[in-house]
Amino acid sequence: DAGVIQSPRHEVTEMGQEVTLRCKPISGHNSLFWYRQTMMRGLELLIYFNNNVPIDDSGMPEDRFSAKMPNASFSTLKIQPSEPRDSAVYFCASSLGTVMNTEAFFGQGTRLTVV
Amino acid sequence: GQQVMQIPQYQHVQEGEDFTTYCNSSTTLSNIQWYKQRPGGHPVFLIQLVKSGEVKKQKRLTFQFGEAKKNSSLHITATQTTDVGTYFCAGAGTALIFGKGTTLSVSS
Repeated sequence: DAGVIQSPRHEVTEMGQEVTLRCKPISGHNSLFWYRQTMMRGLELLIYFNNNVPIDDSGMPEDRFSAKMPNASFSTLKIQPSEPRDSAVYFCASSLGTVMNTEAFFGQGTRLTVV
Repeated sequence: GQQVMQIPQYQHVQEGEDFTTYCNSSTTLSNIQWYKQRPGGHPVFLIQLVKSGEVKKQKRLTFQFGEAKKNSSLHITATQTTDVGTYFCAGAGTALIFGKGTTLSVSS
């Protein structure tokens, strides 16, 4: 298996533009997580899906952020409009089962820079 | 909400010295997981602890889960330069919540 695949690996955009990050989880995994990593705040959980349904989105910063999982093999995280403070590395992770009993596999991350 | 605190934030050691990082949760956890992130990389799973008081070893790494299932530690014996990176604990409650990590640097 190729692991969790994220695209793009790097994104540089201007403030106010829409940004879409993409994730393909490991086949057969039914839990998917989006995390944001910064030096100041560490690894923050943004949203957690189980069987394509959002279970916990309390970490989504504000209405500018939205996440979807239309099917078991694809998820997107969208920021509209983007702001400089959104600059961070965004990780997608997937796991087999629930967080209660299995490890999470992380993608390589998307480094987002908003100028 | 669920919070996971980790100390210290940074630790520098000489090669051969021991290293310990500590993790505390504000709530009782169903399990705790440990991950390692190399500079420029992504978090990679190391181990999961489930039982109260559980101790697991991986070569020079020793992981412990507290009796109350609210704290955990990772101890590395005789560090090597390959141990460099950031070590995260992650508490499993309703979601997988990460501590801020301990960044370990090792000088030879």
